[in-house]
Amino acid sequence: EVQLVQSGAEVKKPGESLKISCKTSGYTFTKHWIGWVRQMPVKGLEWMGVIYPDDSDTRYSPSFQGLVTFSVDNSISTAYLQLSSLKASDTATYYCGRVDFDNFFDNWGQGTPVTVSS
Amino acid sequence: EIVMTQSPATLSVSPGERVTLSCRASQSVSRNIAWYQQKLGQAPRLLIFHASNKPTGIPARFSGSGSGTEFTLTINSLQSEDFAVYYCQQFADWPRTFGQGTKVEIK
Repeated sequence: EVQLVQSGAEVKKPGESLKISCKTSGYTFTKHWIGWVRQMPVKGLEWMGVIYPDDSDTRYSPSFQGLVTFSVDNSISTAYLQLSSLKASDTATYYCGRVDFDNFFDNWGQGTPVTVSS
Repeated sequence: EIVMTQSPATLSVSPGERVTLSCRASQSVSRNIAWYQQKLGQAPRLLIFHASNKPTGIPARFSGSGSGTEFTLTINSLQSEDFAVYYCQQFADWPRTFGQGTKVEIK
């Protein structure tokens, strides 16, 4: 069974940094893209980008380029999303997911709620 | 960037009814579209990919159709567990983009 388990909810102050983890199991981690999606409060889904664990090929959506960083640790089948210099507008739930050939999410993590507040 | 526009924003329906949700792309995406269901407080779930294909485990009452710029998600005989928000997403071009969602609520 494919599973993606994300790290827990976070509360941060403006200017701080954050790294969310997405631990996977049930499939060959290095052979499937991992993607990230942002969902701001009471809003829709936004495609942030994807990373291919085998070679760390990364594709960021223009709206998120330079604002976030994707990484992986293949030894523990885990992907990471890093956000730096947090702002209140980064308050959202962030989802990871397995992405079919960089096309669509076929499995999802449970989401990590992030609150940025002074 | 391809803009995906869903209509209506909200649909009020009774259990047992047939529901049709629309998604329009700003340019042709061929059949490179997926549909997701998101229930309150939960992660999205893949319902349809490549316009009309279903992953294992998706009930037969869900179906997708369309090509080019016009797409439809149909739910036959709506069940109580189907009240949720539905999103379309294109994967014909980069960046991948979602529609803004259609909320299916109880009438």
